Amino acid sequence: LAKTTQPISMDSYEGQEVNITCSHNNIATNDYITWYQQFPSQGPRFIIQGYKTKVTNEVASLFIPADRKSSTLSLPRVSLSDTAVYYCLVGDPYNQGGKLIFGQGTELSVKP
Amino acid sequence: NAGVMQNPRHLVRRRGQEARLRCSPMKGHSHVYWYRQLPEEGLKFMVYLQKENIIDESGMPKERFSAEFPKEGPSILRIQQVVRGDSAAYFCASSPEGTGKNSPLHFGNGTRLTVT
Repeated sequence: LAKTTQPISMDSYEGQEVNITCSHNNIATNDYITWYQQFPSQGPRFIIQGYKTKVTNEVASLFIPADRKSSTLSLPRVSLSDTAVYYCLVGDPYNQGGKLIFGQGTELSVKP
Repeated sequence: NAGVMQNPRHLVRRRGQEARLRCSPMKGHSHVYWYRQLPEEGLKFMVYLQKENIIDESGMPKERFSAEFPKEGPSILRIQQVVRGDSAAYFCASSPEGTGKNSPLHFGNGTRLTVT
């Protein structure tokens, strides 16, 4: 399974756009990129998943360049409630059998 | 539609006692996964179960830990003779038919085990 590298922490202010980049140089052809969000004392929550180019939902956007060796999670106009740890995961969702590999994640702190 | 339910939320055990953690998957989900999160670390996969079957237990310690998902009732993660190093948050997740594109895992809010 591809290893991911992302910043340990980031700071932002309310109303700003936040971009969290994840490196995955060894991504395989069948791998998808998935982001989860985890609040303190809660389980992770699925945010978004993509394979290439751009994916957008009501919560975030995911930008994936052509070489797929990195990806960027974009959170528009963050609020205090977006303070959480964000995990980037890479793998083949059809063959992982639920064995997701969570790294250290990026601890996002949103300030007023 | 209730999410993944785990209980208890907090569990305190003395060294040597047994800990039983329960997980009820989302309605309609027949696949259950257990993860462990040690303090200041990411989540680590432990075991993947379907009804009455263990599919993958490669992340589970060989001794003292066991898991089951019976035909009726919740999935149980059992830790015998707990030690201080077992103190962690244990998360359960479920999915309808195994993982796949657009089929993310749904996690519960965990059981925080403290061994004194």
